[in-house]
Amino acid sequence: AQTVTQSQPEMSVQEAETVTLSCTYDTSENNYYLFWYKQPPSRQMILVIRQEAYKQQNATENRFSVNFQKAAKSFSLKISDSQLGDTAMYFCAFGGGSEKLVFGKGMKLTVNP
Amino acid sequence: DARVTQTPRDKVTEMGQEVTMRCQPILGHNTVFWYRQTMMQGLELLAYFRNRAPLDDSGMPKDRFSAEMPDATLATLKIQPSEPRDSAVYFCASGLGRTSGGGEQFFGPGTRLTVL
Repeated sequence: AQTVTQSQPEMSVQEAETVTLSCTYDTSENNYYLFWYKQPPSRQMILVIRQEAYKQQNATENRFSVNFQKAAKSFSLKISDSQLGDTAMYFCAFGGGSEKLVFGKGMKLTVNP
Repeated sequence: DARVTQTPRDKVTEMGQEVTMRCQPILGHNTVFWYRQTMMQGLELLAYFRNRAPLDDSGMPKDRFSAEMPDATLATLKIQPSEPRDSAVYFCASGLGRTSGGGEQFFGPGTRLTVL
């Protein structure tokens, strides 16, 4: 069974700083997707970014980028120029052949003014 | 702007009452998921449908929970009878699955259930 681990339960940064959120996963599958979701205090789960395992190029979405290391089974999220609105829980998720997503426990990010 | 809708947003009920939560998936999506989120357990998958057929409800307490998709535009999650330990936020999500999409799921705003 796949597992997703987010080892840092909580982080805080100053506005405009860059922050990296870590995620590791375990799987025997070769073709899969990885996702980062954001859950602000409004509780809405928002898809931030996705990465296909067969692509070597790291995905980017504006200020959000990933560092995907397939051999190490690592999938970290970098947030550049962090903003107050980035304050949220962040969840890493694995999507394999079954269509179900396996989520990590989440990490609480606080961006301070 | 297509999005998943859920009703009600919040529900407070007494122990023993029936609770029905509704979800309208994004038009054209063929997979629907029900999750429960609590502080202790995080996000738990309760049930999963593809093309309206239930594929996996192993995460759901069968004696009191039931999930259905009467048609492609409506998914329901019922709890009967409700218990205080059912208090949680319940999310519905929809997607295109792996055959048509990248497997990502789009979430509704959730229903916060409080059972007194």
